[in-house]
Amino acid sequence: AIQLTQSPSSLSASVGDRVTVTCRASQGITSALAWYQQRPGESPKLLIYDASTLQGGVPSRFSGSGSGTDFTLTISSLQPEDFATYYCQQFNTYPRTFGQGTKLDIK
Amino acid sequence: EVQLVESGGGLVQPGGSLRLSCEVSGVPFNICWMHWVRQTPGQGLVWVALIDSDGSSTFYADSVKGRFVISRDNTKNTLYLQMNSLRAEDTALYYCVKDYFGSMDVWGQGTTVTVSS
Repeated sequence: AIQLTQSPSSLSASVGDRVTVTCRASQGITSALAWYQQRPGESPKLLIYDASTLQGGVPSRFSGSGSGTDFTLTISSLQPEDFATYYCQQFNTYPRTFGQGTKLDIK
Repeated sequence: EVQLVESGGGLVQPGGSLRLSCEVSGVPFNICWMHWVRQTPGQGLVWVALIDSDGSSTFYADSVKGRFVISRDNTKNTLYLQMNSLRAEDTALYYCVKDYFGSMDVWGQGTTVTVSS
């Protein structure tokens, strides 16, 4: 199975900061990667698919990049509602796999 | 609005069985590929299974292969997960999720499964 390793596992930041989360795949997955946001007590929400395509309704401060094995999720200017846990997920092969998550909290 | 509503969770003894259901509305269910994904308290997301739109193809995580069966009834707009030979490590919140070209664009609220004696 393809392993996805996210870094950092946790991150403290302030409103207005620019934040980057990295996801590294154990083997190449082309651009078959998605990013999700999960707020406490809520179900995950799709933010980005195909590594860089913003899901409808997602604010433009979110962006994704990368292909092959290295991917990034960037939030250009953190808003209060962005403090949550973020997961990457690959859909290049079966079994589908998720990264372990990156918890973003307020500094 | 697309809605996914899971049911069927509960407390079951190790070795027991449980069937989860997910009613889907707001989208033509018979063209949707569907997943089950689980999450243990305070932990990450784990993909469990996927079924194609007509049920002819299914895919499973190694940890549940041979014990869980994903199925669907397109006449009832309902997805199922039959879970057999349950173990303590199957304890989790189980989400029904709609596939979107490999990603997962709509999630239910989840149903909790607890495996304990």
